[in-house]
Amino acid sequence: KQEVTQIPAALSVPEGENLVLNCSFTDSAIYNLQWFRQDPGKGLTSLLLIQSSQREQTSGRLNASLDKSSGRSTLYIAASQPGDSATYLCAVGGGGNKLTFGTGTQLKVEL
Amino acid sequence: DVKVTQSSRYLVKRTGEKVFLECVQDMDHENMFWYRQDPGLGLRLIYFSYDVKMKEKGDIPEGYSVSREKKERFSLILESASTNQTSMYLCASSSYIRGRQTEAFFGQGTRLTVV
Repeated sequence: KQEVTQIPAALSVPEGENLVLNCSFTDSAIYNLQWFRQDPGKGLTSLLLIQSSQREQTSGRLNASLDKSSGRSTLYIAASQPGDSATYLCAVGGGGNKLTFGTGTQLKVEL
Repeated sequence: DVKVTQSSRYLVKRTGEKVFLECVQDMDHENMFWYRQDPGLGLRLIYFSYDVKMKEKGDIPEGYSVSREKKERFSLILESASTNQTSMYLCASSSYIRGRQTEAFFGQGTRLTVV
């Protein structure tokens, strides 16, 4: 059974800092990996999708990488801003487009 | 702009009631999903559907059923609500493009409290 782990569980950084969020998974037979953002009490917003054949995806200040063989993905956020404060979730796509989620990293960017 | 809409943001129901959570997507997606989210447990898949009238059990289907009579609508049913079903419920949809799975889009969530 696929298990997804996100470290750290919580992170606090000063504004402007570059940061990396980590995601690891136990079964490398994945179709894709998706990063989401969740604001308190809200639904999930898709940030980036990496297909299993890809190594990375970029969107604005966000860059996600995927290393299937080692079961790892990272989300890099450049020049962090207070508006980036949220919980970031990693989800691994398996058969049937089902997603297995990590428990998230709660990020706080301070002024 | 793509949209997944859940019928209620907040619901309060009594133990033993039959509860319907509705989800509608406007993207013509084949796949639809229901998850629940609990502190410390993350998101867990309850049921999903690949097509109209098709359904598959997820990881925690006990106490739930689903209905998909139309492609755009996926309903989650709590047959007899219990307090341990108090949770945030999230609906999602996705599709395929050239054989590859697309990103999943989520609704805003329904916070259900069973008293």
